[in-house]
Amino acid sequence: DQQVKQNSPSLSVQEGRISILNCDYTNSMFDYFLWYKKYPAEGPTFLISISSIKDKNEDGRFTVFLNKSAKHLSLHIVPSQPGDSAVYFCAASGDFNKFYFGSGTKLNVKP
Amino acid sequence: EAQVTQNPRYLITVTGKKLTVTCSQNMNHEYMSWYRQDPGLGLRQIYYSMNVEVTDKGDVPEGYKVSRKEKRNFPLILESPSPNQTSLYFCASSFSPRRNTDTQYFGPGTRLTVL
Repeated sequence: DQQVKQNSPSLSVQEGRISILNCDYTNSMFDYFLWYKKYPAEGPTFLISISSIKDKNEDGRFTVFLNKSAKHLSLHIVPSQPGDSAVYFCAASGDFNKFYFGSGTKLNVKP
Repeated sequence: EAQVTQNPRYLITVTGKKLTVTCSQNMNHEYMSWYRQDPGLGLRQIYYSMNVEVTDKGDVPEGYKVSRKEKRNFPLILESPSPNQTSLYFCASSFSPRRNTDTQYFGPGTRLTVL
């Protein structure tokens, strides 16, 4: 059973608007969370991370929110740009440097 | 250029024929890992290595072997491939993947088909 879930396989957003990608996890031992972006025919690239001692982390247009009680994290992209169109994976880790990824959400930002 | 390289990028093989996918990084990273990506399942970790001669199982290690004899290389070995190992494989490396200032760098992927 997947410990990290992304329930929306795809999301379409207009350029300039906010994109919100969601991720849920089941393991309460996870204490480090990441978002990766993946373009076709390339490997994933790191976007932003957050540790469990925080509930928000910002990096430019990207903000990750963590709700530990709900075991939920989200990625906000504001404003969305066509170049943001990609597949986004959330990932989580507890001890021992093992990582668990979600199934991905394909974001399409329309010009 | 700092990078993670994988070879081959594409491979079609038959059931039972041993194969090795190589992974090399030029960033002096201590941590290396292998993942497979399958539709609807995302990336799943196969094996990881914290340093030379130190390897450990990820979430889906069955049917795979790894070795870490040198810091820069982390080959993935399929002793007897089966069709359910048809997948897209990624190698990744990092100094320390759980530090907020560091993360895993991924290779470009190897598309493996086992007939």
